[in-house]
Amino acid sequence: TQLLEQSPQFLSIQEGENLTVYCNSSSVFSSLQWYRQEPGEGPVLLVTVVTGGEVKKLKRLTFQFGDARKDSSLHITAAQPGDTGLYLCAGPNRGSTLGRLYFGRGTQLTVWP
Amino acid sequence: DTAVSQTPKYLVTQMGNDKSIKCEQNLGHDTMYWYKQDSKKFLKIMFSYNNKELIINETVPNRFSPKSPDKAHLNLHINSLELGDSAVYFCASSQVQGRTSGYTFGSGTRLTVV
Repeated sequence: TQLLEQSPQFLSIQEGENLTVYCNSSSVFSSLQWYRQEPGEGPVLLVTVVTGGEVKKLKRLTFQFGDARKDSSLHITAAQPGDTGLYLCAGPNRGSTLGRLYFGRGTQLTVWP
Repeated sequence: DTAVSQTPKYLVTQMGNDKSIKCEQNLGHDTMYWYKQDSKKFLKIMFSYNNKELIINETVPNRFSPKSPDKAHLNLHINSLELGDSAVYFCASSQVQGRTSGYTFGSGTRLTVV
């Protein structure tokens, strides 16, 4: 059973398009993190959302934490080829061991020029 | 200055061999982790050390043994390698006590067992 479900699994779009990827759970998380992983590299932390309903912006990326803290979304405006990568959401479940993060399976995004 | 460095980047070895992967972090974080990423890109935790103390030991074969000589280093030794051990192994660190941080990952070690 996957604690965090990400959708879609794959997304292939043209440069300039907008997109949204989702991270859902039936469990409550104290916070959720989003990472981007490029080929041959480790995941890199993009943002952490902590408060239910919180919205954070990172240039063309907008992250939202659901009011009930069970889901999150990542919206990219005017996608560029440099946005290509595997987007992972992760979070510490209630009662989880110190520092432990559960990862979703990721959304593989490809942006074509 | 690389924050989390792991070596080697690539490791190709025959079944039955023993190999080690080394990891070092210079961020002053108190917790270090080993994750395994399979061919479908799923990241699964293997081990976690907090200030040199083992705190997470997932269902991992006994052939895998982590060692943390100090809180800046976490190595992974694998005995009697099997074909199914082929994967990318990531080391990561985070600050858990006090002001918590997200994970900082190394760039991975691609292990291929032939």
